[in-house]
Amino acid sequence: DIQMTQSPSSLSASVGDRVTITCRASQSISSYLNWYQQKPGKAPKLLIYAASSLQSGVPSRFSGSGSGTDFTLTISSLQPEDFATYYCQQSYSTPRLFTFGPGTKVDIK
Amino acid sequence: QVQLQESGPGLVKPSGTLSLTCAVSGGSISSSNWWSWVRQPPGKGLEWIGEIYHSGSTNYNPSLKSRVTISVDKSKNQFSLKLSSVTAADTAVYYCASERLRYYYGSGGDYYYYYMDVWGKGTTVTVSS
Repeated sequence: DIQMTQSPSSLSASVGDRVTITCRASQSISSYLNWYQQKPGKAPKLLIYAASSLQSGVPSRFSGSGSGTDFTLTISSLQPEDFATYYCQQSYSTPRLFTFGPGTKVDIK
Repeated sequence: QVQLQESGPGLVKPSGTLSLTCAVSGGSISSSNWWSWVRQPPGKGLEWIGEIYHSGSTNYNPSLKSRVTISVDKSKNQFSLKLSSVTAADTAVYYCASERLRYYYGSGGDYYYYYMDVWGKGTTVTVSS
């Protein structure tokens, strides 16, 4: 099975900071990588699919990159509403087996 | 825009069967989407449980496969989750989600990207006697 890891597990940042979160797959998953944002008590929200495609309605300060085993989610200028937990998810496995990373919590410095 | 709403008992006894339903509104469950269940234990991360297509085809997480059944009821525009032999470890918020497919043809061949673009609000299920 494909295992997903994320780093860091948590980070503290200030409004306006550039934030980068890393996701690594245990084997190559091409660009079959999605990113979600989850706020406390809420359902996850899709931010990025196919490693770098921005979901409709998601602010352009969010961007994704990478392929193979290493991926990044970047928030170019952190806003107050961006404090949340971020999960990566692979959709490469056949038959389909979605696997989420353990999450990265972004909180206020 | 499709909307999803989970429903079902909030308390299940150990060794019993957890049963949840996800009602689909604003669209047809017979569209070209797959439909998923995802859970999140208290204070922990997300775990994909499985998915179903309107034809009845399913894929399950191998870690739960022996206990999981996902079914679809096209007449009611909903799909359901049953998880048997539950223990306290199955206590979680359970979400249903719809999956979107984006197809690309590139230099490397065909690319089928699946992602969960619409989620229900989630329902909390506690396993306790």
